[in-house]
Amino acid sequence: DQQVKQNSPSLSVQEGRISILNCDYTNSMFDYFLWYKKYPAEGPTFLISISSIKDKNEDGRFTVFLNKSAKHLSLHIVPSQPGDSAVYFCADNFNKFYFGSGTKLNVKP
Amino acid sequence: NAGVTQTPKFQVLKTGQSMTLQCAQDMNHNSMYWYRQDPGMGLRLIYYSASEGTTDKGEVPNGYNVSRLNKREFSLRLESAAPSQTSVYFCASTEMRETGFNSPLHFGNGTRLTVT
Repeated sequence: DQQVKQNSPSLSVQEGRISILNCDYTNSMFDYFLWYKKYPAEGPTFLISISSIKDKNEDGRFTVFLNKSAKHLSLHIVPSQPGDSAVYFCADNFNKFYFGSGTKLNVKP
Repeated sequence: NAGVTQTPKFQVLKTGQSMTLQCAQDMNHNSMYWYRQDPGMGLRLIYYSASEGTTDKGEVPNGYNVSRLNKREFSLRLESAAPSQTSVYFCASTEMRETGFNSPLHFGNGTRLTVT
């Protein structure tokens, strides 16, 4: 089974700067990943995904990078806004959907 | 569009009591999931149902049972609640594709359960 790990429980960034959230995975057979954002008292919502046929996927201010050799993916938010303050989860996208432990992003005005 | 609806939103149980968490989706998805979220632990999969009539264990199934009542509904039951089951429970659904890669999960807003 896939394991995805987020080793940074929190990140604080100034408004307007770049936020970089990281995720590592163990099973390289299925390289297809998603990022979710979660606000307090709400369910997670889908943000952006990436598959192994790409090494980058961009959607507005959000870009996800996939480094298959390092088994690592990262989410870049540029520029960061206070409304981006939330918990971000990476997850694999095959069958069972395993999630990382999350990174709490705080964007300071 | 309601999406994924979970009931109740909050519940307090005493140790040993039983209850069922309800989940319904109106997106005609074939797959449904139950997760629990605990501080520092992320979202852990309890059970999932790839299609109507099938259920499978996830990472943390002990102490829980599930029923896929029909395509829309997937319930989670705690037969004898324990304080370790204090958590926020999320139901989710998606359309599982033949390739095995699914469309993104759609989540409900969760049930906050406290067991004293």
